[in-house]
Amino acid sequence: GAGVSQSPSNKVTEKGKDVELRCDPISGHTALYWYRQSLGQGLEFLIYFQGNSAPDKSGLPSDRFSAERTGGSVSTLTIQRTQQEDSAVYLCASSAAGGPFDEQFFGPGTRLTVL
Amino acid sequence: AQSVTQPDIHITVSEGASLELRCNYSYGATPYLFWYVQSPGQGLQLLLKYFSGDTLVQGIKGFEAEFKRSQSSFNLRKPSVHWSDAAEYFCAVGGTNAGKSTFGDGTTLTVKP
Repeated sequence: GAGVSQSPSNKVTEKGKDVELRCDPISGHTALYWYRQSLGQGLEFLIYFQGNSAPDKSGLPSDRFSAERTGGSVSTLTIQRTQQEDSAVYLCASSAAGGPFDEQFFGPGTRLTVL
Repeated sequence: AQSVTQPDIHITVSEGASLELRCNYSYGATPYLFWYVQSPGQGLQLLLKYFSGDTLVQGIKGFEAEFKRSQSSFNLRKPSVHWSDAAEYFCAVGGTNAGKSTFGDGTTLTVKP
């Protein structure tokens, strides 16, 4: 079946503009995660959705970042008033049930460049 | 707080040689441990995972990892490296909330012909 997809694959924007990044998880997966991968760094957890529960937003770096998940499927990560330090690869992952031992399936990422 | 250290930023091995990538973790309870691989232009793929049972875990692509509680380590090994193994490898530790998985900074593997 189809894996996790993300769009766009690349996004170049100007400082101060808003951007939206989209993630389509694997069908039927209840858990969805967003991570940020800066150059030469590991993955930084941003936010986690599990079913109908309130999302875990503890990793969002500032109030410029927000995310929603509609209908328990597609998710959108929004960055308002982008800054140059927001430049990174944004990765989305999904897992079947969100359990601690569940495999996370990752999308190819969106490379964001803020000029 | 949980943390992961991958001491080697970059490792180069010759094709056919053995490989060991180091991972040390810090976690207050029994950890969930993972190794992921990220090949150029591709997403992360799970190689193997460990929570309990046999401390030597077999994964895909001929990789294995050994959990050593006394050393807080979960090193990844492969007896004979192939050129296609060139990639970035990430160790991760998770707790009761999978969304809280913490990743190391990664080790980049280069394979010499």
